Amino acid sequence: GESVGLHLPTLSVQEGDNSIINCAYSNSASDYFIWYKQESGKGPQFIIDIRSNMDKRQGQRVTVLLNKTVKHLSLQIAATQPGDSAVYFCAEDNYGQNFVFGPGTRLSVLP
Amino acid sequence: NAGVTQTPKFRVLKTGQSMTLLCAQDMNHEYMYWYRQDPGMGLRLIHYSVGEGTTAKGEVPDGYNVSRLKKQNFLLGLESAAPSQTSVYFCASSLRTVYGYTFGSGTRLTVV
Repeated sequence: GESVGLHLPTLSVQEGDNSIINCAYSNSASDYFIWYKQESGKGPQFIIDIRSNMDKRQGQRVTVLLNKTVKHLSLQIAATQPGDSAVYFCAEDNYGQNFVFGPGTRLSVLP
Repeated sequence: NAGVTQTPKFRVLKTGQSMTLLCAQDMNHEYMYWYRQDPGMGLRLIHYSVGEGTTAKGEVPDGYNVSRLKKQNFLLGLESAAPSQTSVYFCASSLRTVYGYTFGSGTRLTVV
């Protein structure tokens, strides 16, 4: 099946700064993408999604950007807080059957 | 408001033993999934179900069996556990296939 990967396994940012987490996907036919947040000892939690007919979608302090030309997805977190420390996964739909997850990026927020 | 509940939360098995992991959801979701999570490898799909009485193989199905006898429950079985099955197992459910998942809190399984 298709795979989803992340450019950086770890990311450290200063509290209050903006964070950008990147994701490369390989299936140009994927129609739907999701970002999940996983805190230590917990299951992944839905953050935000985007469909392939959109380039950008905004939520509360989070924005997802989709560049279909280069098959790239990014998650931007504004004014990063200590509670944002977690592992972030991108996921792409697998021909409408289920989702393929990337390996994850660990975000550490420095005081 | 339980969402997705997984039992047990932790388990240690000896090689060759069998066990069943239970996943229960109270959201009336049609679709349910079992993933395993290993360090540096993200989440990999083991099996999934698109409705009561149906199951399908995912990316890494070998060594596992599943059953969906009731809509709200999805069971994952290990017939003869192997050390390679040491992992954290997550169950998820969704309203539709291309839709956000609700995950359980995971089962940490160690096979010695």
